[in-house]
Amino acid sequence: AQSVTQLGSHVSVSEGALVLLRCNYSSSVPPYLFWYVQYPNQGLQLLLKYTSAATLVKGINGFEAEFKKSETSFHLTKPSAHMSDAAEYFCAVTSNSGGYQKVTFGIGTKLQVIP
Amino acid sequence: NAGVTQTPKFQVLKTGQSMTLQCAQDMNHEYMSWYRQDPGMGLRLIHYSVGAGITDQGEVPNGYNVSRSTTEDFPLRLLSAAPSQTSVYFCASRSLPGGPATSTDTQYFGPGTRLTVL
Repeated sequence: AQSVTQLGSHVSVSEGALVLLRCNYSSSVPPYLFWYVQYPNQGLQLLLKYTSAATLVKGINGFEAEFKKSETSFHLTKPSAHMSDAAEYFCAVTSNSGGYQKVTFGIGTKLQVIP
Repeated sequence: NAGVTQTPKFQVLKTGQSMTLQCAQDMNHEYMSWYRQDPGMGLRLIHYSVGAGITDQGEVPNGYNVSRSTTEDFPLRLLSAAPSQTSVYFCASRSLPGGPATSTDTQYFGPGTRLTVL
């Protein structure tokens, strides 16, 4: 079954610094991969998704992620952190189970932005 | 479009009580699902449905029931609440334009229900 591993449950960066949130996937077939963001006391919303088109995917709020098959990675980056980026970020992968597609989430990474 | 709505937003139950968490979507999505979110464990799939009358179990289905009588609604029932079911519950939906096995469409999440079982 497909799965994702998010390295680092908490990440702290200074405002203006590079944001790098790591996600590695396990999949026996080409995966579909997603990054979601959850702001405090809210539901999840999609940041970006990889669906086997371009390997560099651009999302909302200046975030992007690069699919690297050789490294089985889909790390999320943003060149310059803003205070409003403080949130929890989830990597997710789709998998087929009994002919239906399910989405499996990582445990999440909480991003703290220090002024 | 209201998107995905959930009620109630907060609920406190005593052990052994039953209740139903409501979820509705107005986007005509075929796929709906329920997740629970616990610290350090991310989101775990409880049950899902690919259309009216079709439901299936996710990874943590025990203690929960679902039904899907209409495209819009997907209620989650707690049969006999236990403290281990204290969690934040999210409902989500998405379309399945290419069929259930191929969709990469975005999932839309509701705002969540915070449940405490004493």
